[in-house]
Amino acid sequence: NAGVTQTPKFQVLKTGQSMTLQCAQDMNHEYMSWYRQDPGMGLRLIHYSVGAGITDQGEVPNGYNVSRSTTEDFPLRLLSAAPSQTSVYFCASSYGGQGRNGYTFGSGTRLTVV
Amino acid sequence: AQSVTQPDIHITVSEGASLELRCNYSYGATPYLFWYVQSPGQGLQLLLKYFSGDTLVQGIKGFEAEFKRSQSSFNLRKPSVHWSDAAEYFCAVGSRYGNTGKLIFGQGTTLQVKP
Repeated sequence: NAGVTQTPKFQVLKTGQSMTLQCAQDMNHEYMSWYRQDPGMGLRLIHYSVGAGITDQGEVPNGYNVSRSTTEDFPLRLLSAAPSQTSVYFCASSYGGQGRNGYTFGSGTRLTVV
Repeated sequence: AQSVTQPDIHITVSEGASLELRCNYSYGATPYLFWYVQSPGQGLQLLLKYFSGDTLVQGIKGFEAEFKRSQSSFNLRKPSVHWSDAAEYFCAVGSRYGNTGKLIFGQGTTLQVKP
């Protein structure tokens, strides 16, 4: 079991570039989420999904898109990178009602936008 | 508004001493409650969770947490800290209602362990 796999681990982008952060889980979890982590701010929810074909916005969705065509994959797309999107991004998955069993996190993608 | 507060940004304890990390939440109804730990450069690992029953829950690595409804708190404790416990700790809450599975995280508490 690989758990939650995120790629790449590190990325540097120029302002205005686009890219996709990949996230895959092999646990057949229905819930998946993307968070960004910034110093002193904890983790903030960007987008989440409760199953294949169903996504919704979290608290900081602007500048990001997601899709969930399969149970396993939940990519995060940056449409036009900005320096304010410099952060560490975590993908997580869970199962059971309301994700009450807790989330399994990937190891993160450290993104720098210059 | 729903929120989670971890009042202590940074805590330093001596190895072998006891530890308590505080967590307070503001929520419409009793939420699901979680504690996660993050070692430097790593993702988050679930320490323990509460969603019903006994208000004192046991987790991994010798941690426990107590849910106090009257105080809207879910404090994390460990009787004797080890140097390997140095990390950042996050409290999180999730809703029992609406099929979202969303979590709200506190700002985190960094634990330093002195030899």
